[in-house]
Amino acid sequence: GAVVSQHPSRVICKSGTSVKIECRSLDFQATTMFWYRQFPKQSLMLMATSNEGSKATYEQGVEKDKFLINHASLTLSTLTVTSAHPEDSSFYICSARGGLAGGGPQETQYFGPGTRLLVL
Amino acid sequence: GQNIDQPTEMTATEGAIVQINCTYQTSGFNGLFWYQQHAGEAPTFLSYNVLDGLEEKGRFSSFLSRSKGYSYLLLKELQMKDSASYLCALMDSNYQLIWGAGTKLIIKP
Repeated sequence: GAVVSQHPSRVICKSGTSVKIECRSLDFQATTMFWYRQFPKQSLMLMATSNEGSKATYEQGVEKDKFLINHASLTLSTLTVTSAHPEDSSFYICSARGGLAGGGPQETQYFGPGTRLLVL
Repeated sequence: GQNIDQPTEMTATEGAIVQINCTYQTSGFNGLFWYQQHAGEAPTFLSYNVLDGLEEKGRFSSFLSRSKGYSYLLLKELQMKDSASYLCALMDSNYQLIWGAGTKLIIKP
């Protein structure tokens, strides 16, 4: 239970292009989804929090016009990295909250497998 | 404000027991989570404590003392596959997770 999928798992793109990453909760409805970024050997860094049907809340220092988040339904959130540059290369991970099937309380965040982005 | 501390790295032997500590300071508290993260993968949920005491789940147990701002994750009968980073995360009064930097656990044969 509490399975979260993420697509694509890996993407390589040219500098200046946009990349869209999808995050889906497969067996529960996620009231809230989170987007994280993690650089090698560093800790998770929360980028933004999104609730279904409302605008995402971005963490300080995260450009909302560069990292577009759409939480269109209770099972789908997307992150679009616009005009990607090499410094955007990172491991992007989404998580979803709201399911009891995973064994934890409703506030437990269940993570997707992550998307490794490489911008050339 | 909030603060979470856990050791950066620990080493243990296969078959042994290891305890990973996490101390925290916070004005609001709604529970403490432990996650496991293998290299190159996303974190997976291990445990949640909101009341004082020990929660046992197979080879893994998690303990909480709210008065001391202290938790630990206890791993028994260590296996090589337990080599991973272990993340302590505090849920604050707004039900947001505050993440520790993680403890990298190295298991040696």
